[in-house]
Amino acid sequence: DVKVTQSSRYLVKRTGEKVFLECVQDMDHENMFWYRQDPGLGLRLIYFSYDVKMKEKGDIPEGYSVSREKKERFSLILESASTNQTSMYLCASRDSSYNSPLHFGNGTRLTVT
Amino acid sequence: DAKTTQPPSMDCAEGRAANLPCNHSTISGNEYVYWYRQIHSQGPQYIIHGLKNNETNEMASLIITEDRKSSTLILPHATLRDTAVYYCIVITQGAAGNKLTFGGGTRVLVKP
Repeated sequence: DVKVTQSSRYLVKRTGEKVFLECVQDMDHENMFWYRQDPGLGLRLIYFSYDVKMKEKGDIPEGYSVSREKKERFSLILESASTNQTSMYLCASRDSSYNSPLHFGNGTRLTVT
Repeated sequence: DAKTTQPPSMDCAEGRAANLPCNHSTISGNEYVYWYRQIHSQGPQYIIHGLKNNETNEMASLIITEDRKSSTLILPHATLRDTAVYYCIVITQGAAGNKLTFGGGTRVLVKP
């Protein structure tokens, strides 16, 4: 069965800390995505990657970076966490082939104090 | 990718059919319509998708209009566990590197 695993369910970090959110998928998918979700704003795309070492900015990339060194792993990095980055972060992956759905992890709820 | 528009919320009686509309008037010929739902504190769960024909699976039915500018997700016999936010998105067939963007979704409340 399809599996997208996010390393932490809940995280609490301090302002200014460097934060790594990890995501691993076991389906050999080319495409991986990071979203954040906030009340009233739906899901907003931060970054996505369509291949190893490739990345593209989404709608709200400011304050974030990403790393895709291996196909199965896509990391979201907050270089210097701020309180306005407190949110639910969702990772997703998708095959590039015909008719492929997007598969999500269960999310990481990050609180920056 | 085409944008989608959904009503922000709707209520449904338990045991009745829930019909969730989605407008995607700028959809192009090779874009599929996908539906997801999200139960509180979990990631979105894939429900169903289609191109132009109506589709049915064990979870729901998808009706796409002939001009493909809108669709309706049907939950045939809603249960309390169907209370969730439902998202409609469009995805280009086989596209790599496409930016997939979700709108606000429809918050469905199933009432006993």
